[in-house]
Amino acid sequence: SQKIEQNSEALNIQEGKTATLTCNYTNYSPAYLQWYRQDPGRGPVFLLLIRENEKEKRKERLKVTFDTTLKQSLFHITASQPADSATYLCALALSGGYNKLIFGAGTRLAVHP
Amino acid sequence: ETGVTQSPTHLIKTRGQQVTLRCSSQSGHNTVSWYQQALGQGPQFIFQYYREEENGRGNFPPRFSGLQFPNYSSELNVNALELDDSALYLCASSLGQVNTEAFFGQGTRLTVV
Repeated sequence: SQKIEQNSEALNIQEGKTATLTCNYTNYSPAYLQWYRQDPGRGPVFLLLIRENEKEKRKERLKVTFDTTLKQSLFHITASQPADSATYLCALALSGGYNKLIFGAGTRLAVHP
Repeated sequence: ETGVTQSPTHLIKTRGQQVTLRCSSQSGHNTVSWYQQALGQGPQFIFQYYREEENGRGNFPPRFSGLQFPNYSSELNVNALELDDSALYLCASSLGQVNTEAFFGQGTRLTVV
């Protein structure tokens, strides 16, 4: 069956450390993958997009890797801050005629001072 | 802020009733998608509209229907409400049908009693 999995348990880290979140998928062939941030009671906010032919993407303190052989994406936040505390969602986009995103359940990140 | 606005923000309906949710897209975006997010889950794709035509649909029954208007704003209609329809409904606009990031509104929290 098709699945997209993110760590269901919350990730707790100390301020200043690097947070690493994992997204694994099975039986999908995504054209690209996106990461979103969601705060409680709010809509997701787009962070980064990485295509199937790209290995790594960076934006300021954020880095995403995409391994289509392992069927895995890693999302890193370096020099984490308490303001980074939120739920982070991984979303797959399949090739096709429309922009359907398939989301994981998200991982809650808590950065402690 | 993404420029995507949804109304109302909260709504309580009785089982069997009908509901209409509204979305105003970000300026210049011609594609709108609707998602349902249950508590603790990732958003699930309902359907997408491109230039006033539905061009993609997820696993939702026909009582979930939509419209997109010439100004690219959109409505989601749900008939014969069920208790399981209680969720956060998210609208996302994007420029183009495929391979682009989605800009989400803040969502409408629907409670069916």
